[in-house]
Amino acid sequence: NAGVTQTPKFQVLKTGQSMTLQCAQDMNHNSMYWYRQDPGMGLRLIYYSASEGTTDKGEVPNGYNVSRLNKREFSLRLESAAPSQTSVYFCASSEPARPGTDTQYFGPGTRLTVL
Amino acid sequence: LAKTTQPISMDSYEGQEVNITCSHNNIATNDYITWYQQFPSQGPRFIIQGYKTKVTNEVASLFIPADRKSSTLSLPRVSLSDTAVYYCLVDLPTGANNLFFGTGTRLTVIP
Repeated sequence: NAGVTQTPKFQVLKTGQSMTLQCAQDMNHNSMYWYRQDPGMGLRLIYYSASEGTTDKGEVPNGYNVSRLNKREFSLRLESAAPSQTSVYFCASSEPARPGTDTQYFGPGTRLTVL
Repeated sequence: LAKTTQPISMDSYEGQEVNITCSHNNIATNDYITWYQQFPSQGPRFIIQGYKTKVTNEVASLFIPADRKSSTLSLPRVSLSDTAVYYCLVDLPTGANNLFFGTGTRLTVIP
């Protein structure tokens, strides 16, 4: 079991470029999430997907789009990168054992720098 | 929205017990409380989860008073490897846009 995997690990973009961050999980979880973490800060939810075919905005969705390709994969796209999007991006997945007990499993992160 | 408040940082000597308190005044009836640990350059990792009273596992204990407006993560006999950021998260049964990680508590264990 690889758990949650993310690609790439590192990326440098120029302002205005686009890119897609990939995330996959092999735990058969229904819910998947994208977070960003700025230096010295906590995690902020960008988008989440409660199940295949559904997506919803989180706390900081502006400038991002997501696709829940299938149950395993959840991608995050930056259409026109800005320096303010320089951050570490974490993908997570979860499957509550019972209502209210959502435990998230995180990937290793993608470190993105926008020049 | 059930946001949480934690101390920004704490220092402790090796071998001591560390207690980190989280305030969640607006916790709803169905909310569970979950704590995560994050090492530098890694994603957060689940430590412990509870609803009321006391929960204990091989890593930590979680104390939740009757009013559930706060909770305390207790780490027994910390070691240098426990140096990390600890996040308190109040889970909601629906709507992940209400899943808020706070700034966390940066624990530094001193030799």
